Amino acid sequence: EVQLVQSGAEVKKPGESLKISCKGSGYSFATYWIAWVRQMPGKDLEWMGIIYPGDSDTIYSPSFQGQVTISADKSTNTAYLQWSSLKASDSAVYFCARRRPDTNGFYFYLDSWGQGTLVTVSS
Amino acid sequence: DIQMTQSPSSLSASVGDRVTITCRSSQTISSYLNWYQQKPGKAPKILIYAASSLQSGVPSRFSGSGSGTDFTLTISSLQPEDFATYYCQQSYRTAGTFGQGTKVEIK
Repeated sequence: EVQLVQSGAEVKKPGESLKISCKGSGYSFATYWIAWVRQMPGKDLEWMGIIYPGDSDTIYSPSFQGQVTISADKSTNTAYLQWSSLKASDSAVYFCARRRPDTNGFYFYLDSWGQGTLVTVSS
Repeated sequence: DIQMTQSPSSLSASVGDRVTITCRSSQTISSYLNWYQQKPGKAPKILIYAASSLQSGVPSRFSGSGSGTDFTLTISSLQPEDFATYYCQQSYRTAGTFGQGTKVEIK
């Protein structure tokens, strides 16, 4: 069974750093892209970026470029999302999700999702 | 960035109603369009990929259509468990983008 298990909720102060994780199991982690998606309280889904764990090729959404760092360790089947200096506006739920191809390998979609990590940034 | 625009942003419907949600992309994306369902406090769930392909295990009352820039998600007969928020997402680029969501509420 494909599973993505994310790290637990975090409460941080503005200016602090943070790294949250997403551990995959039940499939070849290195060969599927992992996306990160933000959902601010009561708001819609926002695509942050995506990483290919096999070679750490990473593509950021323009809105998040320079604001966060996405990384992956294929030896531990884990993807990461990190901030160097948090802001109150970073308070949100963050999801990781696996991007998979259809049976023809032509179309892609997010088929398996982590449970979400709630990040609260408050002084 | 490819922008995705959904309409309506919310709707009220009754059990048994036929519901249609539309999604428009800012540039042509062929059939690289997915639909997800999200319930409160839960992760999204894939319903439709490649504009019209039903994900395994998803009830057949859900269907998708469209190509190019205009797409539609239809629920043929709304069930109590279908009250949720629905998002379209383009996969034309590796960096996908979501629509702003359509909340389906009970009338």
